[in-house]
Amino acid sequence: AQKITQTQPGMFVQEKEAVTLDCTYDTSDPSYGLFWYKQPSSGEMIFLIYQGSYDQQNATEGRYSLNFQKARKSANLVISASQLGDSAMYFCAMRVISSGSARQLTFGSGTQLTVLP
Amino acid sequence: NAGVTQTPKFRILKIGQSMTLQCTQDMNHNYMYWYRQDPGMGLKLIYYSVGAGITDKGEVPNGYNVSRSTTEDFPLRLELAAPSQTSVYFCASSPLKQGEQYFGPGTRLTVT
Repeated sequence: AQKITQTQPGMFVQEKEAVTLDCTYDTSDPSYGLFWYKQPSSGEMIFLIYQGSYDQQNATEGRYSLNFQKARKSANLVISASQLGDSAMYFCAMRVISSGSARQLTFGSGTQLTVLP
Repeated sequence: NAGVTQTPKFRILKIGQSMTLQCTQDMNHNYMYWYRQDPGMGLKLIYYSVGAGITDKGEVPNGYNVSRSTTEDFPLRLELAAPSQTSVYFCASSPLKQGEQYFGPGTRLTVT
């Protein structure tokens, strides 16, 4: 079974500073993908960034980067130059990609990020 | 460019009533999913489908049923609604190959 752990229920960051949201995962499958989603107060799920288990380099998407440490089974999200609009709930999720898998996402419990002006 | 659409957006049910949550995707994705999100929590998988005519249970299937007669549609049926089914329901789809899941806007359901 897969498990995602997000140990920070809430985080605060000053506008324009960087922030790291923690995520650890557990799976025995060698082939998987790690995702981060943003959920603003409006409720929709917004895809941010993806890292495959065999990717050699850390994923980056604009101000988002994923600090992937495979040996530690961690996939932390780094947001640089925080903006007020970054205030939202952030979910880490994993998807096993092995043959026969339904490829559903397993979610963590989320981190509520608040950006302070 | 519709993506994944869900109806209704909001619904209030009385205990024991039934309803169907609709989900449609126009991206020709094989994989479709239903998740529920309880307040302050992550999403949990209810049912999923790997193609038309094929469905299977997820982590929390009790009290729900699904069908997949076409690639586009994946309705979720609630029979005999209970207060424990008060939640936000998300439908999602993904292509055959690895990649992100595309989410619908969600349906907020209250059972009283």
